[in-house]
Amino acid sequence: EVQLVESGGELVQPGGSLRLSCAASGLTFSSFAMNWVRQAPGKGLEWVSVISGSGSTTDYADSVKGRFTISRDNSKNTLYLQMNSLRAEDTAIYYCAKAPRRSGSSNYCDYWGQGTLVTVSA
Amino acid sequence: EIVLTQSPGTLALSPGERATLSCRASQGVDNNNLAWYQQRPGQAPRLLMFGVSSRATGIPDRFSGSGSGTDFSLTISRLEPEDFAVYYCQQYGSSPLTFGGGTKVEIK
Repeated sequence: EVQLVESGGELVQPGGSLRLSCAASGLTFSSFAMNWVRQAPGKGLEWVSVISGSGSTTDYADSVKGRFTISRDNSKNTLYLQMNSLRAEDTAIYYCAKAPRRSGSSNYCDYWGQGTLVTVSA
Repeated sequence: EIVLTQSPGTLALSPGERATLSCRASQGVDNNNLAWYQQRPGQAPRLLMFGVSSRATGIPDRFSGSGSGTDFSLTISRLEPEDFAVYYCQQYGSSPLTFGGGTKVEIK
């Protein structure tokens, strides 16, 4: 059974940094692209970033480009999101979500973690 | 960026009734790369449909998807109590991936 467990969310001040992690099990991790998707309190879903199975290809939403960096360690079955220059509007639950194939493009999300809450506030 | 508009915003129905949810794209969705997700309160989203009309693993056949180009729909033939939730469409044909604003299906 595929399991995705996010961690690292917490209260951080505007301008601060945070690194989220997503531990994956029950799958051959390197065979699948991985996404981060976020949801502000009471709002809809917003795609944040994707990384290919090998880690060689990444893509970002314009709202986070230049501030967030997605990466993965396939030896540890773990996905990361480094978040810098955080803003109040980055406050959200951050979900990691598996794609159905290795390529980082044209993917939906077939498995989701339970999410980790990031709150950006002074 | 492809903007997805979902309607209605809220759908109030009774168990056993049929629900039809709409998702309209601002431009054509490449290769009909459109998915639907269900999100129950306090839970993560769950994949229902991909490729417009293919059901994800374990999704009952009362859920069906249709459409092409810019107009898509999700139909729940007979609502069960566990189907009352928020539903999102997503296009994954072009970057950035985008979601619709959601349709809440609530008990009438």
